[in-house]
Amino acid sequence: QKEVEQNSGPLSVPEGAIASLNCTYSDRGSQSFFWYRQYSGKSPELIMSIYSNGDKEDGRFTAQLNKASQYVSLLIRDSQPSDSATYLCAGSTGFQKLVFGTGTRLLVSP
Amino acid sequence: DGGITQSPKYLFRKEGQNVTLSCEQNLNHDAMYWYRQDPGQGLRLIYYSQIVNDFQKGDIAEGYSVSREKKESFPLTVTSAQKNPTAFYLCASSTGQGWNQPQHFGDGTRLSIL
Repeated sequence: QKEVEQNSGPLSVPEGAIASLNCTYSDRGSQSFFWYRQYSGKSPELIMSIYSNGDKEDGRFTAQLNKASQYVSLLIRDSQPSDSATYLCAGSTGFQKLVFGTGTRLLVSP
Repeated sequence: DGGITQSPKYLFRKEGQNVTLSCEQNLNHDAMYWYRQDPGQGLRLIYYSQIVNDFQKGDIAEGYSVSREKKESFPLTVTSAQKNPTAFYLCASSTGQGWNQPQHFGDGTRLSIL
């Protein structure tokens, strides 16, 4: 069964620190990966996508992909209390389908 | 504004009752999806549709049914056969073109049993 694994957390970081969220996947055929942020009681919101090995930066967010090791990570620089949420990692599994991890809960303390 | 609209926000189901959750999108997306999310868990795929008049079962289709008569609409019916329907239901859509298109979500419907 194709799986995406995430540590459920919570990951606690102080305000201003770098938060590092990790995800591993089992399907070597997965081509694309997505990070979603989900606030409590709300729906997931896409924050990053990555398709190639290496880093992709967007503002305070950096996604990293290592296909050889089958892991994806999300770095959040200068973490803010408003970043406190659950972060879902998703990988493609077949045409136009995604498989989601269970999410990592991030807590940023002031 | 373009987006995905789910209604109602909250829904209560009585024993033995079928209920239908609405999902409408004006993004001109070909592909639409229904997920179920239980507390502390990830998203599980119920049904998906890549084109009008066609849909496929996901990982947990038992007790659910869908239709896709219009590109914009993908309603989900939770039937009485679904014995544990209490969950957060999320509808998503994507362009359906290529392998690297993300899915975008509506605001969700919370279903509870009366």
